[in-house]
Amino acid sequence: DGGITQSPKYLFRKEGQNVTLSCEQNLNHDAMYWYRQDPGQGLRLIYYSQIVNDFQKGDIAEGYSVSREKKESFPLTVTSAQKNPTAFYLCASSNLYEQYFGPGTRLTVT
Amino acid sequence: GENVEQHPSTLSVQEGDSAVIKCTYSDSASNYFPWYKQELGKRPQLIIDIRSNVGEKKDQRIAVTLNKTAKHFSLHITETQPEDSAVYFCAASRGGADGLTFGKGTHLIIQP
Repeated sequence: DGGITQSPKYLFRKEGQNVTLSCEQNLNHDAMYWYRQDPGQGLRLIYYSQIVNDFQKGDIAEGYSVSREKKESFPLTVTSAQKNPTAFYLCASSNLYEQYFGPGTRLTVT
Repeated sequence: GENVEQHPSTLSVQEGDSAVIKCTYSDSASNYFPWYKQELGKRPQLIIDIRSNVGEKKDQRIAVTLNKTAKHFSLHITETQPEDSAVYFCAASRGGADGLTFGKGTHLIIQP
């Protein structure tokens, strides 16, 4: 539950703007993940990082970018190339197998 | 890639009865199968998981079974209570630090 923070809780942006979502963890976990959740849908994997300075694309990486410069932090940038950016974004971390989620950021783009 | 199907999408049971949610997966290399519970507007919470070297795992009123040959796994909740009402998601991965592939969720409703 605790140990993974995402900010802000709600974010509003105009179409055409890039926006960066924050994810921080103090659990000393090596791996971190970004998922997207749309109403009535399961979570879909955007990007994940198993170690600092390395990351892999998930199933829906187009229009998103990430960086992993520190073990504790894994920010996600939603670019203007993402066609349907409005969604609930969830960050997770793991030290092998079990993934624990942050509280999420609800992004609305109009 | 992996594909996870989950059924039913909605399940309504009387308080005190049992609930069963079923998932199938496509990737025979998957070996880790967690279940998450999500209340409205909240983060998913891990409630139980199973790895492919085990056929069944129990934790109080919750159990998960895995059939690797048929590529399906199920969540069983006994003696359901009002606080069990939520959306439940199954997921699968190849384990380690790989990302998860989720089913679309089951909305469990406990009728008083």
